[in-house]
Amino acid sequence: LAKTTQPISMDSYEGQEVNITCSHNNIATNDYITWYQQFPSQGPRFIIQGYKTKVTNEVASLFIPADRKSSTLSLPRVSLSDTAVYYCLVASNSGYALNFGKGTSLLVTP
Amino acid sequence: NAGVMQNPRHLVRRRGQEARLRCSPMKGHSHVYWYRQLPEEGLKFMVYLQKENIIDESGMPKERFSAEFPKEGPSILRIQQVVRGDSAAYFCASLSLASTDTQYFGPGTRLTVL
Repeated sequence: LAKTTQPISMDSYEGQEVNITCSHNNIATNDYITWYQQFPSQGPRFIIQGYKTKVTNEVASLFIPADRKSSTLSLPRVSLSDTAVYYCLVASNSGYALNFGKGTSLLVTP
Repeated sequence: NAGVMQNPRHLVRRRGQEARLRCSPMKGHSHVYWYRQLPEEGLKFMVYLQKENIIDESGMPKERFSAEFPKEGPSILRIQQVVRGDSAAYFCASLSLASTDTQYFGPGTRLTVL
């Protein structure tokens, strides 16, 4: 499983755009990049998944450069309810166990 | 379409007792994963099961822990003779292995060992 590195914590004000970058230098050809969000006392919630370039859904965007050694999760106009831990994961297909690091703890304040 | 269900949500056991955690996957999902999360830590993989088969149990302690996913009924994670170090949140995830599917997590069971 490819190892990922992401900031331990980030702070933001309401209404700002938040970008969380994840490094995965050893990503393999068959690996997908997946981001999860976890609130206290809840299970992780799938946010977005991508393989290359850019993926956008109603919640976030995921930017993946050509070399795929990093990725950036972009949350537009965050609100207080976006305060959570965000995990970046890399796995070859959805049949493999996911390798969760400590994630990035995002704090959004008024 | 109900999501992944886990029960109980909270479980308190005394040292030496047995803990049974249940997980019902999403409808149509035949693959189940169990993870454990200690405070301030990320989730750690324990075991991966398909119906009636253990596919990968490399993350599960060799002693006291067992898991099953019978043909009928929920997946069960069983911890015998619990110790205080077993106190954690246990999460179950399921998926259907569609081409780009991913794992969907339940709300977890918070185990407290007194």
